[in-house]
Amino acid sequence: NAGVMQNPRHLVRRRGQEARLRCSPMKGHSHVYWYRQLPEEGLKFMVYLQKENIIDESGMPKERFSAEFPKEGPSILRIQQVVRGDSAAYFCASSRARVNNDEQYFGPGTRLTVT
Amino acid sequence: GNSVTQMEGPVTLSEEAFLTINCTYTATGYPSLFWYVQYPGEGLQLLLKATKADDKGSNKGFEATYRKETTSFHLEKGSVQVSDSAVYFCASGADSGYALNFGKGTSLLVTP
Repeated sequence: NAGVMQNPRHLVRRRGQEARLRCSPMKGHSHVYWYRQLPEEGLKFMVYLQKENIIDESGMPKERFSAEFPKEGPSILRIQQVVRGDSAAYFCASSRARVNNDEQYFGPGTRLTVT
Repeated sequence: GNSVTQMEGPVTLSEEAFLTINCTYTATGYPSLFWYVQYPGEGLQLLLKATKADDKGSNKGFEATYRKETTSFHLEKGSVQVSDSAVYFCASGADSGYALNFGKGTSLLVTP
């Protein structure tokens, strides 16, 4: 039973380019959560999505960042016009339903480096 | 909002040594508390949890007790193994009920 898949695992972008991070939830899971870990910090909640809906994006930066979870295909975290401060590890988690904290399953993360 | 502070790493121990990784939290209420572990190349896995004061979470020889008086949730293991080498994250439940607040992570290296 495959876990949460994230790709790419490492992504290098130059300033001003776009970054697309993909997350495939566990089979049967329809809820996705994105977290960001900046250097020397803990993981911070960014956004919570259900299929075709954004439930909570209170942790998302107001500009350049967007997320989607279409009916078919993976969830995408998109960062436009990346800057060096976007360099971080981005983790995705999924759950079967809107559940309590401890039933989220995490992927291995995507490490974004902006040069 | 809730937040978590855990001890800085890296921590290097010899096999069979005693492990403690400190974690303290700040919260307006009594959030659930968690320890996650991340092995190299893998995602974070829930190691143990406690949902109320004085609860003790345990798994794979690891233990942590929810201490309301000291707002702490320290991770302990009596005898570590090389296979315990990983990054350990302390976390608390956010007010939303689904988001998690994480500490910075503590890297543990156990040598033979």
